Amino acid sequence: AQTVTQSQPEMSVQEAETVTLSCTYDTSESDYYLFWYKQPPSRQMILVIRQEAYKQQNATENRFSVNFQKAAKSFSLKISDSQLGDAAMYFCAYRIQYGNKLVFGAGTILRVKS
Amino acid sequence: DAGVTQSPTHLIKTRGQQVTLRCSPKSGHDTVSWYQQALGQGPQFIFQYYEEEERQRGNFPDRFSGHQFPNYSSELNVNALLLGDSALYLCASSPRAGEATETQYFGPGTRLLVL
Repeated sequence: AQTVTQSQPEMSVQEAETVTLSCTYDTSESDYYLFWYKQPPSRQMILVIRQEAYKQQNATENRFSVNFQKAAKSFSLKISDSQLGDAAMYFCAYRIQYGNKLVFGAGTILRVKS
Repeated sequence: DAGVTQSPTHLIKTRGQQVTLRCSPKSGHDTVSWYQQALGQGPQFIFQYYEEEERQRGNFPDRFSGHQFPNYSSELNVNALLLGDSALYLCASSPRAGEATETQYFGPGTRLLVL
């Protein structure tokens, strides 16, 4: 069974600084997708970034980038120039290439200090 | 372009009752997935519908059932409610064809409290 582990229950970052959230996963599949979702207190789950496992190039979306290490089954999220609006719960999620469901980690609470 | 919508936003029920939650997918999407998110935890997959049929099911009892309508909207029904069913229920939609079929877009959720 696929599992996703987020080992950091909570992280803090100073405004304008950089923070990295960790995620590891366990799978025997070779083709899959990885995602980072953000859930603010308003509770709407928002897609931050996605990565296809067959692509070696790390995905980037503005201030958000990932470090995808397929052999190590690691998928960390880096947030640069952190803003107060980045404060939220961040979830790492996995989906096999031809599957239906997302498998989520337990989440990391990110606090941004002004 | 309307995103995923869910109703109601909040609901309070008592043990043993039945509840129906509703979801309208994002425009252009025909696949709907339902997730249960207990407080402080990640969402857990309940099931997915497309072409009006349940396609995959997570580890949830038969008390949880669903339906998808011809307009792609969906309902989640929970019978014989237990205290442990208290959670945020999230609906997510995705397209079956075209770009980004692997990405699911979430609605704001329905908060269910069972007393």
